[in-house]
Amino acid sequence: TQLLEQSPQFLSIQEGENLTVYCNSSSVFSSLQWYRQEPGEGPVLLVTVVTGGEVKKLKRLTFQFGDARKDSSLHITAAQPGDTGLYLCAGSIYSGNTPLVFGKGTRLSVIA
Amino acid sequence: KAGVTQTPRYLIKTRGQQVTLSCSPISGHRSVSWYQQTPGQGLQFLFEYFSETQRNKGNFPGRFSGRQFSNSRSEMNVSTLELGDSALYLCASSELTGSGELFFGEGSRLTVL
Repeated sequence: TQLLEQSPQFLSIQEGENLTVYCNSSSVFSSLQWYRQEPGEGPVLLVTVVTGGEVKKLKRLTFQFGDARKDSSLHITAAQPGDTGLYLCAGSIYSGNTPLVFGKGTRLSVIA
Repeated sequence: KAGVTQTPRYLIKTRGQQVTLSCSPISGHRSVSWYQQTPGQGLQFLFEYFSETQRNKGNFPGRFSGRQFSNSRSEMNVSTLELGDSALYLCASSELTGSGELFFGEGSRLTVL
């Protein structure tokens, strides 16, 4: 059973379109992180959300943590080919000495 | 600051062999975590070391082991390789143990024939 479910698994869109990817769980997380992984590289942290209902923006990317801290979303406005990659959410159920668990990811392809 | 360095980047082994992968964390980082990444299962946690002590262990068989040295460098070993061990093995370092930001290396891609 996957602790963090991400949807959709695959997404192919045209440059300039908007998109939202989701990360859901039945468990409550103390914090949730989003990473992006490009081919041949390791994941790179985009953002960490900690407070229920929190919204963070990173240029054209908007991240939201659900009020109950069980889910999160990533919205990209006016997607560009440089946004192509694997988007991973990762969470920690308990703060402190517990490892991050990852979702399987959403593979995004933005076509010029 | 140099990033996380993993060696080797690519390797091919046959069933039954063993393999050792190496990870040098970012200078000053004392925590090193290992993850296995496959298309079907995504990133799965193997283990975490902090100051030479294993702090957490994932749900992998005993064929998977690791260690950390006094300079924070870490190695993981997989013995009696199986076809299903083919994967990208990612090492990540962080300043503290637990759920802080992870800095990943580029990974070691293992193919078992």
